Amino acid sequence: AQSVTQLDSQVPVFEEAPVELRCNYSSSVSVYLFWYVQYPNQGLQLLLKYLSGSTLVKGINGFEAEFNKSQTSFHLRKPSVHISDTAEYFCAVSLMEYGNKLVFGAGTILRVKS
Amino acid sequence: DARVTQTPRHKVTEMGQEVTMRCQPILGHNTVFWYRQTMMQGLELLAYFRNRAPLDDSGMPKDRFSAEMPDATLATLKIQPSEPRDSAVYFCASGPPAGTGAVYGYTFGSGTRLTVV
Repeated sequence: AQSVTQLDSQVPVFEEAPVELRCNYSSSVSVYLFWYVQYPNQGLQLLLKYLSGSTLVKGINGFEAEFNKSQTSFHLRKPSVHISDTAEYFCAVSLMEYGNKLVFGAGTILRVKS
Repeated sequence: DARVTQTPRHKVTEMGQEVTMRCQPILGHNTVFWYRQTMMQGLELLAYFRNRAPLDDSGMPKDRFSAEMPDATLATLKIQPSEPRDSAVYFCASGPPAGTGAVYGYTFGSGTRLTVV
């Protein structure tokens, strides 16, 4: 079975502080990994993706994520957050041997306070 | 800027009525996903298609839901009859041909917010 676990349902943080949103996955097949962001009343927007190669990937809006195969994790980080980063963040895996089926975690709400 | 278009954006309907949601994938994309988002269940994969053929619709209640791609430019999700528990936001996403889809990630539409009263 394949699953994606986002360990925190909500993460409150002050503006300009660093943040890490955690994601672990379990899969018996090879995967691609993604982070998406959803602003209120909008669709999902791709933040970044890991396909292969360097385990540290950089995305839009200053976010980055690190793939750790031994820990089956793909945590999202930003060194200094802004109020505008307040949104819900979803980790997702694409299952390469299942027609690239895309499975999402439950989401983490990032609340940036001033 | 290429985008996935979903219609309608909002739909309020009475229990028992048929609901049809439409999705226009990005031109050239041959993979289409349907997701349902609720507070309780998060993002649930209902069905997905490649080259208009269903690859997996195991997440979809078969007794009332149906998904089709009548042509490469249109995907539909129908609920008949609708029930209050179907109230949710339904998202469509599309991606490039197999093998390259994951390279770009999938593009999501803005969703259809369905309310069944």
